[in-house]
Amino acid sequence: QSVLTQPPSASGTPGQRVTISCSGSSSNIGSNYVYWYQQLPGTAPKLLIYRNNQRPSGVPDRFSGSKSGTSASLAISGLRSEDEADYYCAAWDDSLSGPEVFGTGTKVTVL
Amino acid sequence: QLQLQESGPGLVKPSETLSLTCTVSGGSISSSSYYWAWIRQPPGKGLEWIGSIYYSGSTYYNPPLKSRVTISVDTSKNQFSLKLSSVTAADTAVYYCARQGRGEVLFDYWGQGTLVTVSS
Repeated sequence: QSVLTQPPSASGTPGQRVTISCSGSSSNIGSNYVYWYQQLPGTAPKLLIYRNNQRPSGVPDRFSGSKSGTSASLAISGLRSEDEADYYCAAWDDSLSGPEVFGTGTKVTVL
Repeated sequence: QLQLQESGPGLVKPSETLSLTCTVSGGSISSSSYYWAWIRQPPGKGLEWIGSIYYSGSTYYNPPLKSRVTISVDTSKNQFSLKLSSVTAADTAVYYCARQGRGEVLFDYWGQGTLVTVSS
């Protein structure tokens, strides 16, 4: 049902760089900011990136966001075991599908 | 430090109305900079935004749920509430309340979430 598509899984070894994509359309990513959330097992989501590439205070600079056209990406550099979590992109959607939409989610596994 | 806490029944029968309340502490729900939102997550699945409310009572909802959802606010109690009618098993989920930046998909404070199961 989500209009923002993410790969279901991604993985890497400690220290590696992992990138998660979020594909949308002109009515969401193409014309609005992208946000990223991290959800550790059994906990509420946490804001990781806002307005495409801004980090809230306390979020390590290992996490970075970018946007190009109707797609966005979250990069995790220097992967750590505590980064193992689900990651969701989100954006405002100007179409009838709904103002706020979340991506399908990506499970990041640290090997 | 702002805190949000969901409360309400953990079990609701099919066709009945799910009712939850979110109590905000450590800050005022009447801030002009924020909306207050409900988001849910079915077991093992992704996040779904349900709807949001401003302290004035202005609301907007996710279109697929709009006909069944009512969100209200009580500024005197620093609370906002969710009602979801005619529930089915598909409404079984962890329900989160969250603070939302006005005009953004920015949810910066979240409650811990409460599991609501729809079952007879």
